[in-house]
Amino acid sequence: AQSVSQHNHHVILSEAASLELGCNYSYGGTVNLFWYVQYPGQHLQLLLKYFSGDPLVKGIKGFEAEFIKSKFSFNLRKPSVQWSDTAEYFCAVITYSGTYKYIFGTGTRLKVLA
Amino acid sequence: DAMVIQNPRYQVTQFGKPVTLSCSQTLNHNVMYWYQQKSSQAPKLLFHYYDKDFNNEADTPDNFQSRRPNTSFCFLDIRSPGLGDTAMYLCATSRDRAEAFFGQGTRLTVV
Repeated sequence: AQSVSQHNHHVILSEAASLELGCNYSYGGTVNLFWYVQYPGQHLQLLLKYFSGDPLVKGIKGFEAEFIKSKFSFNLRKPSVQWSDTAEYFCAVITYSGTYKYIFGTGTRLKVLA
Repeated sequence: DAMVIQNPRYQVTQFGKPVTLSCSQTLNHNVMYWYQQKSSQAPKLLFHYYDKDFNNEADTPDNFQSRRPNTSFCFLDIRSPGLGDTAMYLCATSRDRAEAFFGQGTRLTVV
């Protein structure tokens, strides 16, 4: 079955620290990959996406992610986090097997200390 | 400017009393999704429509039904809500395999 794994459930960082959140998926076909952010009390917002081409994808707010096909991974990074990055981050994959399905990872709750 | 609109934002219903949540979109997307998100958990896909075709997840309880009368609207019906159905319900839309756009969600409380 298709699945998405996020290994870090809770991450606490100080401002200016670097961030890397892991995401692995299990699906053998062509995938489109996404990272979403959910700020407290708000709806899910797209951070970045990968469809094809350059495996290093840049998104909004200084975030980037690298698609490594051989590792089935799509890790999210940010060189220097800010207090305002405190949120929950979800990795997602869209797969196709007769119809399109959006599957989310379990999420990583990030807390940035000022 | 809101492109995916869910109503109501908050809903309290009694145990066993049917409830309907609505979602509308102005994006003319062909795919509409319903997710259930419980506290501190990932959104769980309940079902989705690809155009008019309904696709149910295998583990979605029979208690949950959906209707899509036209491209713009989609409804989630919970026939006999239980306490365990207390959650945030998210509607999302996409154009085929492009990114999904989410509504603000409906926070449902079953008492």
